[in-house]
Amino acid sequence: NAGVTQTPKFQVLKTGQSMTLQCAQDMNHEYMSWYRQDPGMGLRLIHYSVGAGITDQGEVPNGYNVSRSTTEDFPLRLLSAAPSQTSVYFCASSYPEGHEQYFGPGTRLTVT
Amino acid sequence: GEDVEQSLFLSVREGDSSVINCTYTDSSSTYLYWYKQEPGAGLQLLTYIFSNMDMKQDQRLTVLLNKKDKHLSLRIADTQTGDSAIYFCAGSHNNDMRFGAGTRLTVKP
Repeated sequence: NAGVTQTPKFQVLKTGQSMTLQCAQDMNHEYMSWYRQDPGMGLRLIHYSVGAGITDQGEVPNGYNVSRSTTEDFPLRLLSAAPSQTSVYFCASSYPEGHEQYFGPGTRLTVT
Repeated sequence: GEDVEQSLFLSVREGDSSVINCTYTDSSSTYLYWYKQEPGAGLQLLTYIFSNMDMKQDQRLTVLLNKKDKHLSLRIADTQTGDSAIYFCAGSHNNDMRFGAGTRLTVKP
């Protein structure tokens, strides 16, 4: 199993550009989520999904969209990047609540 | 959602015990977790405790939960240099997980 994979590993965007951060897992996990990690703030939940076709907002959803058309994939879209979205983004997956979340290696995004 | 607070830094000598503390505000958290993050990597689950438990032990790790004070701690016995990392506590309720800012543990030889 590859576990949770994320692409790209690094990305630089200009303000106003759009992009999609990819996340995939091959463990047949129902639950997937996106976090951003900023210095001194830990991880903050952006969006999560409890299964294909179901998504919900986390703590900091503004500026991000998600969809979950398959169990395996959970892309995160930035429609119009802003410097405040400079961060490290982690995708995670697990069975339902209470089970271990498996984290991807992260995507380091810089918006200039 | 809830706020989760941790002290930012802890330094110990190799072989000593480390105690990392965490406080949380939402008493409805179903599970409470400890994660470890090494440089350049994602988070790795160390252990978790169900909210109706007071203590959980797993080899060198001991988790204590004081529900009255909303206080969670992680004790690492016989701390090794390989334990140097950032440790995050987190609480979850209805699939909404909230993390503390992380405690950077430095282990000196």
